[in-house]
Amino acid sequence: GAVVSQHPSRVICKSGTSVKIECRSLDFQATTMFWYRQFPKQSLMLMATSNEGSKATYEQGVEKDKFLINHASLTLSTLTVTSAHPEDSSFYICSARAFDWQNTDTQYFGPGTRLTVL
Amino acid sequence: AQSVTQLGSHVSVSEGALVLLRCNYSSSVPPYLFWYVQYPNQGLQLLLKYTSAATLVKGINGFEAEFKKSETSFHLTKPSAHMSDAAEYFCAVSRNSGNTPLVFGKGTRLSVIA
Repeated sequence: GAVVSQHPSRVICKSGTSVKIECRSLDFQATTMFWYRQFPKQSLMLMATSNEGSKATYEQGVEKDKFLINHASLTLSTLTVTSAHPEDSSFYICSARAFDWQNTDTQYFGPGTRLTVL
Repeated sequence: AQSVTQLGSHVSVSEGALVLLRCNYSSSVPPYLFWYVQYPNQGLQLLLKYTSAATLVKGINGFEAEFKKSETSFHLTKPSAHMSDAAEYFCAVSRNSGNTPLVFGKGTRLSVIA
């Protein structure tokens, strides 16, 4: 249980185009999902908190008009990178809340999406 | 604000040797602490977590960690390293088990030498 998927796993796009990344909770409902970004050989940095049915909360320094987040259902959150540029190339990882076998509120991570902007 | 410091960006051990990855945290509230493992080009897999129950936490793949409040530490150990343990390990802290985002350390890359 508590499986989170991301699609696509890898995407290459041209500069100026937009890319949508999906994060799905496959066997549970998630009212809250988080989006993280990881640069090569670095740690994960929180970009935004995605809440079902409401606007996302962005971290300081993250452009909300560039990184559009939509959490339209309890199993799906999407991150759209608009007008992508090479500096947006990164590994994007989402996480979703679920209760584990000990009934503890836990975050489960997706496998990540590697975005390369040419 | 919460923060995590992982001592040593790279640790190298021989196969069969003890693995010790260090993590110190800073938190103004009782923390929830986590260790995750990341294999190349993959997402994060939860190894173990501390949520104010037992201070010695056992996780998957033979890993365990001990929460020491007096030392503000949550070091990860494994008695005997396997080649398959080679990966990047992240320590993380949050104010709550699930509904608050995690603050990650910079990671420690573990290499296992045959």
